[in-house]
Amino acid sequence: AQSVSQHNHHVILSEAASLELGCNYSYGGTVNLFWYVQYPGQHLQLLLKYFSGDPLVKGIKGFEAEFIKSKFSFNLRKPSVQWSDTAEYFCAVNADRDDKIIFGKGTRLHILP
Amino acid sequence: KAGVTQTPRYLIKTRGQQVTLSCSPISGHRSVSWYQQTPGQGLQFLFEYFSETQRNKGNFPGRFSGRQFSNSRSEMNVSTLELGDSALYLCASSLDRVVSYEQYFGPGTRLTVT
Repeated sequence: AQSVSQHNHHVILSEAASLELGCNYSYGGTVNLFWYVQYPGQHLQLLLKYFSGDPLVKGIKGFEAEFIKSKFSFNLRKPSVQWSDTAEYFCAVNADRDDKIIFGKGTRLHILP
Repeated sequence: KAGVTQTPRYLIKTRGQQVTLSCSPISGHRSVSWYQQTPGQGLQFLFEYFSETQRNKGNFPGRFSGRQFSNSRSEMNVSTLELGDSALYLCASSLDRVVSYEQYFGPGTRLTVT
């Protein structure tokens, strides 16, 4: 069965710091990978996704993620965070030929102004 | 274009009762997925419906059920409520297969079981 692990439950950074949120999945076959974000008081929304091709994926608001197949990882990065990036971030995986998306438990990111 | 709507937004029920939650997808979307969100477990997949048929199901007991109508609106039902069912229930819609089309999430229904 597929599963997703997000190692950091709560991250606190100052503005302009660099960000990396870890995500590892367990599934031996072909996967599709996602990062979702939930800003305070807002709906969950897609940040970026990887299906195939270039393992470095760029998303909205300056976020990017790198798929490393050998490490079963899909870490989210941003070179310089802003206060407005305060949110909860969810990594998710879908196994090919399956129509369900399995989410990690989320990482709460708090940016200090 | 209106987003995904869920009703009611808040609900308080007593243990042992049953509850029905409703989700109206974005116009034209035929796939509706349901998730349970709790602080300890994050988002857990409940089930997905497409064209009135359940296409996928998560690992939840049979007390959790759902259905989809011909207009793509969906309902989920939880019978014999337990305290552990207290959670935010999210609905998401997409045009078709969730791996090909982006899912759009609703605001959720906050269920509290006392």
